[in-house]
Amino acid sequence: EIVLTQSPGTLSLSPGERATLSCRASQSVSSSYLAWYQQKPGQAPRLLIYGASRRATGIPDRFSGSGSGTDFTLTISRLEPEDFAVYYCQQYGSSPPTFGQGTKVEIK
Amino acid sequence: QVQLQESGPGLVKPSETLSLTCTVSGGSISGYYWSWIRQPPGKGLEWIGYIYYSGDTNYNPSLKSRVTISVDTSKNQFSLKLSSVTAADTAVYYCAKGGWELVAWGQGTLVTVSS
Repeated sequence: EIVLTQSPGTLSLSPGERATLSCRASQSVSSSYLAWYQQKPGQAPRLLIYGASRRATGIPDRFSGSGSGTDFTLTISRLEPEDFAVYYCQQYGSSPPTFGQGTKVEIK
Repeated sequence: QVQLQESGPGLVKPSETLSLTCTVSGGSISGYYWSWIRQPPGKGLEWIGYIYYSGDTNYNPSLKSRVTISVDTSKNQFSLKLSSVTAADTAVYYCAKGGWELVAWGQGTLVTVSS
């Protein structure tokens, strides 16, 4: 199965700053079948990005995804207070779908 | 907008079978894939498996020998059974719409395995 490694483990930033989250796969993710999710404490994950760069319905344009092959990035252009959360990447190009271990974006 | 709600016992004894149901509202279960995912307390996400409305399934190989996912289109529900549970199966269990990217999630239900 494909192992996804997210970095950094924790990102300490202030509101208004830019956040750059990395997701590296142990082998190439076919057809850029990579998604990003946001999870807040006590809540279910929410789909942000699919197909590596396509925003899900209702997701603000400050969230963007990029990358291909084994290296993918989620960028939050200007952090809003509600963006502080844990972010997971997920590959679904090969079975079983797998998730990264998560990156926590915390308030500095 | 589709909504999902998990239901089932919050406590299961070791070696017994965990059974959960996901009720879908605001849309039909037909025509789509539906998944189960779990998250041990304080840890990351693990995909359990999915079912197509027609009944076709795909399971995580790590759980395949113990997992059964079924669907009841007449009730707009799909279900998860996990047999021979141990403490390692203690987790929040989520149902979700989609077999690959997961576009909508239930709120999750904590299942604790303990005697």
